[in-house]
Amino acid sequence: GAVVSQHPSRVICKSGTSVKIECRSLDFQATTMFWYRQFPKQSLMLMATSNEGSKATYEQGVEKDKFLINHASLTLSTLTVTSAHPEDSSFYICSARTSGALTSFTDTQYFGPGTRLTVL
Amino acid sequence: AQKVTQAQTEISVVEKEDVTLDCVYETRDTTYYLFWYKQPPSGELVFLIRRNSFDEQNEISGRYSWNFQKSTSSFNFTITASQVVDSAVYFCALSDPINNAGNMLTFGGGTRLMVKP
Repeated sequence: GAVVSQHPSRVICKSGTSVKIECRSLDFQATTMFWYRQFPKQSLMLMATSNEGSKATYEQGVEKDKFLINHASLTLSTLTVTSAHPEDSSFYICSARTSGALTSFTDTQYFGPGTRLTVL
Repeated sequence: AQKVTQAQTEISVVEKEDVTLDCVYETRDTTYYLFWYKQPPSGELVFLIRRNSFDEQNEISGRYSWNFQKSTSSFNFTITASQVVDSAVYFCALSDPINNAGNMLTFGGGTRLMVKP
């Protein structure tokens, strides 16, 4: 249980275009999802916390107009990188937090496989 | 403020050796969770374990074991008889207080483990 999918796994786009990344919890409902960014050989950097049905909470220094987050259902959150530029190239990882009594570990973040974004 | 330190940035061992990955954390909260995640070259973070701050019992799962010492604020991870498939980056993480609905994670810098045949 507690499987999180992320799509696409890899995307290459031209500078100035927008890219949408989907994060889905496949076998559980997630009221809270998180979006991280990871640079090579570095740890994960939290970008924003996404709560179902409400606005995302962005970390300091993360442009909310640049990185649009929508959490429209209990199993889906999307991150849209608008007007992408080469400096946005990175590995983006989402996670979904379990809650409720059905899973072995509640209040635990399970991660998607990540999306490698390359902006040319 | 919370902080997680993984002092070992890279460890290299030969297959079948035991290896311990260190994790030291700082928090003013009295209730929290500690986690270990594995990130193989494919990139996906794989959940390994969660410990509650009020449960200091050590845990063993196959070749993996975890030693939680609240007195020293450490949550070390040992792999016994390491295998090449254990090669990955391992992250230790600390959560917000247990009653906090957000449960945000503070990650350590990660330890890259290389197991050579």
